[in-house]
Amino acid sequence: QSALTQPASVSGSPGQSITISCTGTSSDIGGYKYVSWYQHHPGRAPKLMIYDVSNRPSGVSNRFSGSKSGNTASLTISGLQADDEADYYCSSYTSSSTPYVFGTGTKVTVL
Amino acid sequence: QVQLVQSGAEVKKPGASVKVSCKASGYTFTSYLMHWVRQAPGQGLEWMGVINSRGGSTRYAQRFQGRVIMTRDTSTSTAYMELSSLRSEDTAVYYCARESGVIAAPAKNFDYWGQGTLVIVSS
Repeated sequence: QSALTQPASVSGSPGQSITISCTGTSSDIGGYKYVSWYQHHPGRAPKLMIYDVSNRPSGVSNRFSGSKSGNTASLTISGLQADDEADYYCSSYTSSSTPYVFGTGTKVTVL
Repeated sequence: QVQLVQSGAEVKKPGASVKVSCKASGYTFTSYLMHWVRQAPGQGLEWMGVINSRGGSTRYAQRFQGRVIMTRDTSTSTAYMELSSLRSEDTAVYYCARESGVIAAPAKNFDYWGQGTLVIVSS
């Protein structure tokens, strides 16, 4: 099971919107609604930001939104803030013998 | 509040084994699945496996089959991950992560994570 493909880095200025893509296959992203996104500040525990493609857990800002089209999922961060600077990982349930796969990770930089 | 507290950093020699613990609190331990995920230096997250905290059944990522054993102690609400035949490529931070949704209706995402345990494999 190969990792899902994400851009290595995305950057934006405070207040701008950015979108991170996550590309998989019909065996993972394209086949299930179970796409989730995690924010990871180095040295800290990852934090669930989006689950089931587009749902936000309680307490997560509505500046974070998710979507999916075919085999590609996306995370959009609007109104970019300094604290949004972190690594972001997508994840999907899969039909393979290894049932969960993560993305390659995207470093978000706030300029 | 839900907390997952992991054991401290370990330094191991190649060929040795390491056992990492993850003590849960703030919820009914036996009602949720517990996963293990690792992150090697400069790399992304990698799913290792999952244990049913109630019954103890496990499912491992294919690449770790035969080298990893996940167990749990319900009396102390603690999950364990033991990795054997360590090699330098196993140097990583290891995380436990709770799957959201109770065992009867797992949600296939990870809502709470431990703080991570650094395992260094070096001769």
